[in-house]
Amino acid sequence: QVQLQESGPGLVKPSETLSLTCTVSGYSISSGYYWGWMRQPPGKGLEWIATIYESGSTYYNPTLKSRVTISVDTSKNHFSLKVSSVTAADTAVYYCARERAWDSSGYFYMDVWGKGTTVTVSS
Amino acid sequence: EIVLTQSPGTLSLSPGERATLSCRASQSVTSIYLAWYQQKIGQAPRLLIYGASSRATGIADRFSGSGSGTDFTLTISRLEPEDFAVYYCQQYGSSPLTFGGGTKVEIK
Repeated sequence: QVQLQESGPGLVKPSETLSLTCTVSGYSISSGYYWGWMRQPPGKGLEWIATIYESGSTYYNPTLKSRVTISVDTSKNHFSLKVSSVTAADTAVYYCARERAWDSSGYFYMDVWGKGTTVTVSS
Repeated sequence: EIVLTQSPGTLSLSPGERATLSCRASQSVTSIYLAWYQQKIGQAPRLLIYGASSRATGIADRFSGSGSGTDFTLTISRLEPEDFAVYYCQQYGSSPLTFGGGTKVEIK
């Protein structure tokens, strides 16, 4: 049974870089599927951040693209997210998820989620 | 960007009643690219429906999805106590992927 677990610092200072890792167990990332990050600010809805395929192909939300990098390390069976120049608006619960594509014409839905990790941006 | 508007914001119902949740898109979404999620307080979202009407693995058959174009519906035929939660729709037909603002189903 595939499981995902987010890890990273819970507190980040404004203007610094937020770094998170999602460790996958029960499934080899190199076997396929897409892998992505979402976030949810306190009391608000969900926002897609980025997605990566095991081959390294990446997809980014245009509103965040200039500050975000997603990467994958198949040897460690994990993938990572970096968000630079953070502000209070980046305070949120960050979720990683396994993503699936219905076909080659569309994009992704999330079929397995991690439990989420809370990141607060504050000095 | 496709904006998804969910209504109502809150639905107050009793166990055993039928719940009908709406998701309206700002432009047409191919139905195979519409998903629904359930989120309980303090938990991650859980996939319920993908392809507008296909139930995810392990999802009870009281959950059903329908719709096409710009109007989609999630129906819970008879509410169980564990169904009181927030529900989100998501489109994955175009980038950026977007979610609706959510509908909270609360106990009346």
